[in-house]
Amino acid sequence: AQKITQTQPGMFVQEKEAVTLDCTYDTSDQSYGLFWYKQPSSGEMIFLIYQGSYDEQNATEGRYSLNFQKARKSANLVISASQLGDSAMYFCAMRGLSNFGNEKLTFGTGTRLTIIP
Amino acid sequence: DTAVSQTPKYLVTQMGNDKSIKCEQNLGHDTMYWYKQDSKKFLKIMFSYNNKELIINETVPNRFSPKSPDKAHLNLHINSLELGDSAVYFCASSQDGSQETQYFGPGTRLLVL
Repeated sequence: AQKITQTQPGMFVQEKEAVTLDCTYDTSDQSYGLFWYKQPSSGEMIFLIYQGSYDEQNATEGRYSLNFQKARKSANLVISASQLGDSAMYFCAMRGLSNFGNEKLTFGTGTRLTIIP
Repeated sequence: DTAVSQTPKYLVTQMGNDKSIKCEQNLGHDTMYWYKQDSKKFLKIMFSYNNKELIINETVPNRFSPKSPDKAHLNLHINSLELGDSAVYFCASSQDGSQETQYFGPGTRLLVL
């Protein structure tokens, strides 16, 4: 079974500062994927970034980067130069095998990020 | 164009009623999913369909029945609604359910009174 742990229920960060959102995972799968999604107050789920377990380079997408440390089983999201529009819930998720042998996403409990002007 | 759409966006109903939520994706994806997000924002998969065939059915009560008329649509029918069914239900889709990112719909906020 897969498990995702996000230990920061809430964070407050000053605008323009960088922020790191923590995510650790547990799986016995050899091949897996890690995702970050953003959920603003409007409620939709927005895909941010993906890291495959065999990817040697850390994933980057604009201001988002994923600090992947496989040995420590962590996949932290780093947002550089934070903006007011970054205020939202952030979910870490892992793609792994379901009980049926097919792939599914398991989500963490989320971190609510608030950017302070 | 909206990639993954859901209707309705809001649904308020009485206990015991039967209701349906519709989902459509225009991304040409093969796999579609239903997730439930509870009041504590925890997201959990309910169902997954690949090319109209059910491939994941997590521990969801039998009152919930997904229906996929074609690979672009995955509807969720709920019988005998209970207070605990109040949640946000998200539809998502991905190319083949394995290597690809899942894209989510806007969610349907269900409130059972």
